[in-house]
Amino acid sequence: DAKTTQPPSMDCAEGRAANLPCNHSTISGNEYVYWYRQIHSQGPQYIIHGLKNNETNEMASLIITEDRKSSTLILPHATLRDTAVYYCIVRPYSGAGSYQLTFGKGTKLSVIP
Amino acid sequence: NAGVTQTPKFQVLKTGQSMTLQCAQDMNHEYMSWYRQDPGMGLRLIHYSVGAGITDQGEVPNGYNVSRSTTEDFPLRLLSAAPSQTSVYFCASSSTGGRNSPLHFGNGTRLTVT
Repeated sequence: DAKTTQPPSMDCAEGRAANLPCNHSTISGNEYVYWYRQIHSQGPQYIIHGLKNNETNEMASLIITEDRKSSTLILPHATLRDTAVYYCIVRPYSGAGSYQLTFGKGTKLSVIP
Repeated sequence: NAGVTQTPKFQVLKTGQSMTLQCAQDMNHEYMSWYRQDPGMGLRLIHYSVGAGITDQGEVPNGYNVSRSTTEDFPLRLLSAAPSQTSVYFCASSSTGGRNSPLHFGNGTRLTVT
């Protein structure tokens, strides 16, 4: 399975854009990039996913580089409620691994007032 | 829309006791799964199901049983609890389980085995 690398922690000022990077240099051409976050004591929350193109939804934007070796999750206007651990996950194409999301250590984002 | 509902939220067991963690979803999702989360270990897949009557093992299935008699429910059974099963358990579901189908998680059951 493709592995991901994320910084262990980041700070962001409230109201500013939070840009969370993720490296996935061994990703295969048909593997999706997923982002989840986990707010303390809650279940992981789905944010966004993509294959090649940039994606946007009501929560965030996902920018995937052309070579697909890295991606950036953008929270356009961070609020205190966005303080959480953010996980970047590469999802295998098929087999039992495609059903399993492998969560690494993620990035602890702290939004500062 | 309740999404994925897990009960109970907290549970304390003695070693050797049995119990069932309940999981229900109201989204008509075919795929359901159970994860456990331990400090420093991330989430690990215990069992999963791709539809009613079909279950399979994940990464850490030992000590746990599952069944899927309906689309909505996917209970996790601990037949003889051990302290190593102290963890936070999350149930998740998705429409198909495929790589383009996001998983949606419940808020977890915190289990302590003494």
